[in-house]
Amino acid sequence: AQTVTQSQPEMSVQEAETVTLSCTYDTSESDYYLFWYKQPPSRQMILVIRQEAYKQQNATENRFSVNFQKAAKSFSLKISDSQLGDAAMYFCAYRSLTDQGGSEKLVFGKGTKLTVNP
Amino acid sequence: DAGVTQSPTHLIKTRGQQVTLRCSPKSGHDTVSWYQQALGQGPQFIFQYYEEEERQRGNFPDRFSGHQFPNYSSELNVNALLLGDSALYLCASSFFLNTEAFFGQGTRLTVV
Repeated sequence: AQTVTQSQPEMSVQEAETVTLSCTYDTSESDYYLFWYKQPPSRQMILVIRQEAYKQQNATENRFSVNFQKAAKSFSLKISDSQLGDAAMYFCAYRSLTDQGGSEKLVFGKGTKLTVNP
Repeated sequence: DAGVTQSPTHLIKTRGQQVTLRCSPKSGHDTVSWYQQALGQGPQFIFQYYEEEERQRGNFPDRFSGHQFPNYSSELNVNALLLGDSALYLCASSFFLNTEAFFGQGTRLTVV
């Protein structure tokens, strides 16, 4: 079974600065998807960024980018020019591509609480 | 375009009771998944529905059951509630086998 580990329960960053959130995962599969979701106090999970494992190029979405290290099974999220609205819980998630791996489900880490200081 | 809507937003039940939570998927989506998020934890997959059938199930007891209707909306039923069932229950919808899931705001269930 796949597992996702987020080793930073809490992180803080100054407004306009850059912060990196860590995520590692364990899988025996070679192809899969990885995601970062944001959960603000409103509780709704919002997709931040997605990475396909077969793509070597790291995904980027505006101020958000990832550092995907497949061999190390590492998937970190970098937030540049942090804004007050970035404050939230951030969850790393894994999705298999095979029925045997449970392709319908997302496997989440425990999350990292990000505080943005003005 | 309405996103994923869940009802109710909050619910308090007594141990041993039964509860039904509801989810309307994003317009056009045909697949609904349910997750349980305990306090301080990441969401845990309960099950997924497509074409009114349960396609896959996570590690949850039979007390957790669900249903999907022809209009793709879904219900999550929990019988014989335990204190440990207190959690945020999230519904996510998507197109079948599409990787992008859209989440609702969840139902906060408190069992006393």
